[in-house]
Amino acid sequence: EAGVTQSPTHLIKTRGQQATLRCSPISGHTSVYWYQQALGLGLQFLLWYDEGEERNRGNFPPRFSGRQFPNYSSELNVNALELEDSALYLCASSPRTGGVADTQYFGPGTRLTVL
Amino acid sequence: EDQVTQSPEALRLQEGESSSLNCSYTVSGLRGLFWYRQDPGKGPEFLFTLYSAGEEKEKERLKATLTKKESFLHITAPKPEDSATYLCAVQAWGSQGNLIFGKGTKLSVKP
Repeated sequence: EAGVTQSPTHLIKTRGQQATLRCSPISGHTSVYWYQQALGLGLQFLLWYDEGEERNRGNFPPRFSGRQFPNYSSELNVNALELEDSALYLCASSPRTGGVADTQYFGPGTRLTVL
Repeated sequence: EDQVTQSPEALRLQEGESSSLNCSYTVSGLRGLFWYRQDPGKGPEFLFTLYSAGEEKEKERLKATLTKKESFLHITAPKPEDSATYLCAVQAWGSQGNLIFGKGTKLSVKP
């Protein structure tokens, strides 16, 4: 069974530009989560999508946005890039059982560097 | 405020030297506690999910346990390939999906 995939692996942008990151969940998973892992800060929750809807967002400014497509894949958009946006962006997926906590399975990440 | 604290930040072991990693949590109703392993520059790899106090799970040289305030990841007779950062995360009831992560314990196992 294929795991969560993300593209691109690396992305280099300059300050003020926009970045688009993509994620394909594990087959059968309907929920997609985005996390930011900046150096020394640990994983911070960004966004949660399920069944095409944004269900929750973390404490990040509105220039971080995204969407989920009918095939459950997702993209994360970061507008007006700032130097501090440089980080590893991780996508995770889970089934949505609605009962006990659903295990989130992570992809390999996209390393975003803002110059 | 929900939070997760892991200790120690870094741990150096000799091959075969057993030890434990700690994850203390404060959460308004625990829905689940998760352990992940992360190698440098890669995504976290799922290890265990624990749901209630007293629960234990094992996988090869790893054993995770859960109490009402903390979780331990016990590593028995570690090998160099166990070197990685181990992350603990919790999900609270009403948290709307997101996991709250600790900063991790960086484990180094020397041959």
